[in-house]
Amino acid sequence: KAGVTQTPRYLIKTRGQQVTLSCSPISGHRSVSWYQQTPGQGLQFLFEYFSETQRNKGNFPGRFSGRQFSNSRSEMNVSTLELGDSALYLCASSLIGRQGADTQYFGPGTRLTVL
Amino acid sequence: GENVEQHPSTLSVQEGDSAVIKCTYSDSASNYFPWYKQELGKRPQLIIDIRSNVGEKKDQRIAVTLNKTAKHFSLHITETQPEDSAVYFCAASRGGSYIPTFGRGTSLIVHP
Repeated sequence: KAGVTQTPRYLIKTRGQQVTLSCSPISGHRSVSWYQQTPGQGLQFLFEYFSETQRNKGNFPGRFSGRQFSNSRSEMNVSTLELGDSALYLCASSLIGRQGADTQYFGPGTRLTVL
Repeated sequence: GENVEQHPSTLSVQEGDSAVIKCTYSDSASNYFPWYKQELGKRPQLIIDIRSNVGEKKDQRIAVTLNKTAKHFSLHITETQPEDSAVYFCAASRGGSYIPTFGRGTSLIVHP
């Protein structure tokens, strides 16, 4: 199976602009989670989508939003970019089976630089 | 909600030594504990995981132990090699609609 893919891999934007990142999960995986990773901050959870619904949300401002399509592909949007939004944005997909917790598989990430 | 503490934040060892990274969790309902390795500029990749019905799991030079009573789990790497240098993340999850909670990461440096 193909792994999780993310596009674009790199983005450079200026303050005030908005950006849309895309994530395609592993085939059959229905849950997609988004994380922000900055040096020294670990993996900060943004939100999780399951069956086109946002099921979990982290502690980020409303400028960060997302959606999931019927084929489980997901997008996240950041509006009114700030310098502090510069980070690696990772998405992860999991199967969501009936028993126990499922492994999350990460994409390669999108490196966003805000100038 | 779940809280995962990971220690140490940085670990420096000589090639051939063993390395141990420890995590504690707060939610007794957590039942799945994966470990991820993230090399510089790359994605986090699952290296080993353990479920709550097992106390220990090994895969070549890597092992994970779980103490459900004390709510802690550890990653053990034996005979470390320079290519083991990376950031390691632990996580705890209880499945269903709950997303995993990650530790803050341990930067492992293996000196040749």
